[in-house]
Amino acid sequence: EAQVTQNPRYLITVTGKKLTVTCSQNMNHEYMSWYRQDPGLGLRQIYYSMNVEVTDKGDVPEGYKVSRKEKRNFPLILESPSPNQTSLYFCASSLHSYNEQFFGPGTRLTVL
Amino acid sequence: AQKVTQAQTEISVVEKEDVTLDCVYETRDTTYYLFWYKQPPSGELVFLIRRNSFDEQNEISGRYSWNFQKSTSSFNFTITASQVVDSAVYFCAPPEGGYQKVTFGIGTKLQVIP
Repeated sequence: EAQVTQNPRYLITVTGKKLTVTCSQNMNHEYMSWYRQDPGLGLRQIYYSMNVEVTDKGDVPEGYKVSRKEKRNFPLILESPSPNQTSLYFCASSLHSYNEQFFGPGTRLTVL
Repeated sequence: AQKVTQAQTEISVVEKEDVTLDCVYETRDTTYYLFWYKQPPSGELVFLIRRNSFDEQNEISGRYSWNFQKSTSSFNFTITASQVVDSAVYFCAPPEGGYQKVTFGIGTKLQVIP
């Protein structure tokens, strides 16, 4: 089944404790992206990747890191999480950026 | 940078009414794509439609139709004879120049009342 998977689905952590949210797709897509969704702000792009080893900042990259060492995986890293990073995070992939995106189920992160 | 405006934050309609969701975008690009996505109360994000800037024909898919007008930079979405299952947040999204970044509007929350 073609899909985008994210783990974990739910995470409660404390300020400053490094964490990684994994994202994997099995569709051989070139483009992958991370978004955060907050009430009243819609979906905002954090980082995106056009292909392996090619990543760039979206609109809200501060406090996040990404890497794209393999085509299928695009982990989101929070080196020192803060409460303002409490949000719902979505990973997405598409064949290219101008194709429709397939979204993962979301990761709800709470930083205390 | 691309700017997308979904001016209607929340809309409520009674079942079977028609409803139009507005999307206005600003771009300096001459070639671009536009998307609509749906997020039902269960939370998943689902692709609805993609249009490119060369094709201004309206598109109809069942009860859904889209009106793209390049002259007014609008890409509106109409649901005919709305149903309770249409209750969701709907997002308009165009990729920015160079087809790299993707900017979503803040979404329009549609509530269809039985």
